Amino acid sequence: DADVTQTPRNRITKTGKRIMLECSQTKGHDRMYWYRQDPGLGLRLIYYSFDVKDINKGEISDGYSVSRQAQAKFSLSLESAIPNQTALYFCATRQDRDGGELFFGEGSRLTVL
Amino acid sequence: GESVGLHLPTLSVQEGDNSIINCAYSNSASDYFIWYKQESGKGPQFIIDIRSNMDKRQGQRVTVLLNKTVKHLSLQIAATQPGDSAVYFCAENLNFNKFYFGSGTKLNVKP
Repeated sequence: DADVTQTPRNRITKTGKRIMLECSQTKGHDRMYWYRQDPGLGLRLIYYSFDVKDINKGEISDGYSVSRQAQAKFSLSLESAIPNQTALYFCATRQDRDGGELFFGEGSRLTVL
Repeated sequence: GESVGLHLPTLSVQEGDNSIINCAYSNSASDYFIWYKQESGKGPQFIIDIRSNMDKRQGQRVTVLLNKTVKHLSLQIAATQPGDSAVYFCAENLNFNKFYFGSGTKLNVKP
């Protein structure tokens, strides 16, 4: 089983719909992240959380919200999806401040029509 | 190198040759760097990392070189194999806080 699991893996929705992408991890890491990947661009940080009570905006948080339900769960919501939010979304975890690399999930491909 | 627009730079190599993938990072104060491999339809996978107090680090078939003077990072893959075909990108980190990612280079290994 994957250490970082994202659901759904693929989703097609319409403009204006509310969408939630979920992430769960079995690594026991405190830090969790949501990134967005667009063709030809690097991963961009949407939101991150250092523990259950800590939520921080990343560089492209507009139009998104998150919830850290537990240490192991971090969900990303699009309250009213728009076509330019069509992208590949990745959840990642990290052990702690000095904990080395990010561990990524397999991604959630979202298409907004 | 880094991409411009929607097109990733592509490096094509023959199976068995060595590959060198380059990355220019942006912040001279960045103190930790990672190379990731991303295969089609998958999440990024860690390959190797290096801290700013080093200029070279070796793994299994991979070597990362760091030149802080010119803010340049390179990944060398020895004896490239078809399974190495993927997009490779670098990430820089400042004070073990947020990561900033390059857009990547596509490695195409010809049999």
